[in-house]
Amino acid sequence: KQEVTQIPAALSVPEGENLVLNCSFTDSAIYNLQWFRQDPGKGLTSLLLIQSSQREQTSGRLNASLDKSSGRSTLYIAASQPGDSATYLCAVGNYGQNFVFGPGTRLSVLP
Amino acid sequence: DADVTQTPRNRITKTGKRIMLECSQTKGHDRMYWYRQDPGLGLRLIYYSFDVKDINKGEISDGYSVSRQAQAKFSLSLESAIPNQTALYFCATSDPTPSNTGELFFGEGSRLTVL
Repeated sequence: KQEVTQIPAALSVPEGENLVLNCSFTDSAIYNLQWFRQDPGKGLTSLLLIQSSQREQTSGRLNASLDKSSGRSTLYIAASQPGDSATYLCAVGNYGQNFVFGPGTRLSVLP
Repeated sequence: DADVTQTPRNRITKTGKRIMLECSQTKGHDRMYWYRQDPGLGLRLIYYSFDVKDINKGEISDGYSVSRQAQAKFSLSLESAIPNQTALYFCATSDPTPSNTGELFFGEGSRLTVL
């Protein structure tokens, strides 16, 4: 059974810092991995999708990497802004099955 | 219009009532999912459907049922609601075929409160 964990559970940083969020999974036979952002009480917004054959994806200030062999993905946020404050979730897509979510990292970027 | 639409967005009901949450999508995806989100517990899968004739239980299906009325429609029912079913419910779609990325798309959520 696939299990997904995210470290840290919460993070508070001053504006302008670069930061890394971590996602770990137990079964490396994955189809893809997706990072989401969720604002309080709102829906999930897709940030980046990495296929199992890819090593990283970039979108603006965001960069996500994938290392299947070690069961890890990282989301790098450059030059953080207060508007980045949200909960970040990773979801692992398994072949022929469904998606397993991590518990999320709650990020606060202080002005 | 949103690609994945959930109705109602908010609902308050009483213990024992039957509730239906509806989801429709315009993405043409075969796969649809219902998730539940509780504070501190993340998203948990209730049911999923890979096509109109395929329904599968997720990790927390007890107390819930689903109906896949068409490729575009997937509804979730609580036959007799209880307070611990108070949560934020999400519908999602994906299409992991060679021509698609398998990306998961979410609706905006349905907040259900059972008194």
